[in-house]
Amino acid sequence: KQEVTQIPAALSVPEGENLVLNCSFTDSAIYNLQWFRQDPGKGLTSLLLIQSSQREQTSGRLNASLDKSSGRSTLYIAASQPGDSATYLCAVISNFGNEKLTFGTGTRLTIIP
Amino acid sequence: KAGVTQTPRYLIKTRGQQVTLSCSPISGHRSVSWYQQTPGQGLQFLFEYFSETQRNKGNFPGRFSGRQFSNSRSEMNVSTLELGDSALYLCASSLVGQRNSPLHFGNGTRLTVT
Repeated sequence: KQEVTQIPAALSVPEGENLVLNCSFTDSAIYNLQWFRQDPGKGLTSLLLIQSSQREQTSGRLNASLDKSSGRSTLYIAASQPGDSATYLCAVISNFGNEKLTFGTGTRLTIIP
Repeated sequence: KAGVTQTPRYLIKTRGQQVTLSCSPISGHRSVSWYQQTPGQGLQFLFEYFSETQRNKGNFPGRFSGRQFSNSRSEMNVSTLELGDSALYLCASSLVGQRNSPLHFGNGTRLTVT
C-alpha cells in the first residue's frame, strides 16, 4: 500500500527566502507525482506534474524534483512571497492496480512579511 | 475558460438522509474524479469517471456512488448519511485522466451531517 509523507507539517519563513518542501513515498513504482497548493476553504491548484521518466519540472519560481529510486520529491520555492502562504500537498499515482491518486498530509507554509 | 464548478457550496443534512453533489468540469475535459477531505484522513480518492464510465474506485462503501453524463458533468450520491461523512468533497477534472494530465479542482462542497 502506497504511503505518502510530508515533513514538516508546518513551516514559517521570512519573506524573500528560498525554501524546500519535502515529500516521500514508500513505493517507487509510480506513474507520476504532482504538487498542489490549497488555500483555506478552497480546492487544490495544480502546480507541477512530474512523469516518472522525468527528474524535474519548473514553473516560474517553483522547481520540483523527483528521485524515484529513493522515493523522494522536493518542491523548491525561490524568493518567497506572502502570497505563497498556503498548504502544499504532493500526490502520486502508482502504476499498478487501482490508479488512484494518493495524497500526502501536506505542509502548511506561512511566509512572514 | 470557466473552471470546475461544484454545487452546492454548503450542505447540512441529518443522519439517514441521502445527498447528491454536482460537478461541472472544464469544457473539453472528459475525466472527472471525486475526493473526500477530512482533518483526520486527509484527501482520499473516491472514484474517477471517463466518458460516462467509472474507471477507478477508491475504498469507500457502496453508499457512495457516482455517475457521469454525456456532457461530462458528474454527480456524486451518498445514501444513508452517517456523521463520519461530514467532509469537504472535491471534484477534479482533467483532459484525458489523472494519469496523464494535471487535475483541476473545484472549490468543493462542504457537507455537514448532524
